Amino acid sequence: NAGVTQTPKFQVLKTGQSMTLQCAQDMNHNSMYWYRQDPGMGLRLIYYSASEGTTDKGEVPDGYNVSRLKKQNFLLGLESAAPSQTSVYFCASSYSSGSGDEQFFGPGTRLTVL
Amino acid sequence: GEDVEQSLFLSVREGDSSVINCTYTDSSSTYLYWYKQEPGAGLQLLTYIFSNMDMKQDQRLTVLLNKKDKHLSLRIADTQTGDSAIYFCAEIPGLSKLIFGTGTRLQVFP
Repeated sequence: NAGVTQTPKFQVLKTGQSMTLQCAQDMNHNSMYWYRQDPGMGLRLIYYSASEGTTDKGEVPDGYNVSRLKKQNFLLGLESAAPSQTSVYFCASSYSSGSGDEQFFGPGTRLTVL
Repeated sequence: GEDVEQSLFLSVREGDSSVINCTYTDSSSTYLYWYKQEPGAGLQLLTYIFSNMDMKQDQRLTVLLNKKDKHLSLRIADTQTGDSAIYFCAEIPGLSKLIFGTGTRLQVFP
């Protein structure tokens, strides 16, 4: 099992460009999550998906959109990138969204917006 | 509000014990977690404690929970250089809202 994989690993964008960060999991997990990690702020939840076809906003959803068309994939889109979106993005998945379920994390995507 | 706080840095000598502290605000969390992040990697679950427990021991790791003070700690016995990483505590006060602390960078020196 590959676990949770993310592509790309690194990306540099210019302000105003758009892109999609991809996340895939092969553990048949129902729930998936997108976080961003900024220095001194820990991880903050951007969006999550409790099950295929459903998505909900997290703590910092502005400027992002998500798509969960397939159970194994969760896509994070930036329609018009801004320098404030420079961050490391982590995808995670868990069997369910209950409080006892471990979240498994991908290796991260380091995004720089110039 | 929901807030999880940790000190930013901890430096210990190899072989000593490390204690990483965390305070949280939401008493409704059923589980509290400790994650480890090695350089350039994602987060890996180290251990967790159920909210009705005071202590949990797992090999070199001991988790202490003081619900009255909303204080969680992680003790690493016989700290090794391979333990150098960032440690995050986290809680889930509600459905799908895993709240992370700011992370504590542990540096182990010989």
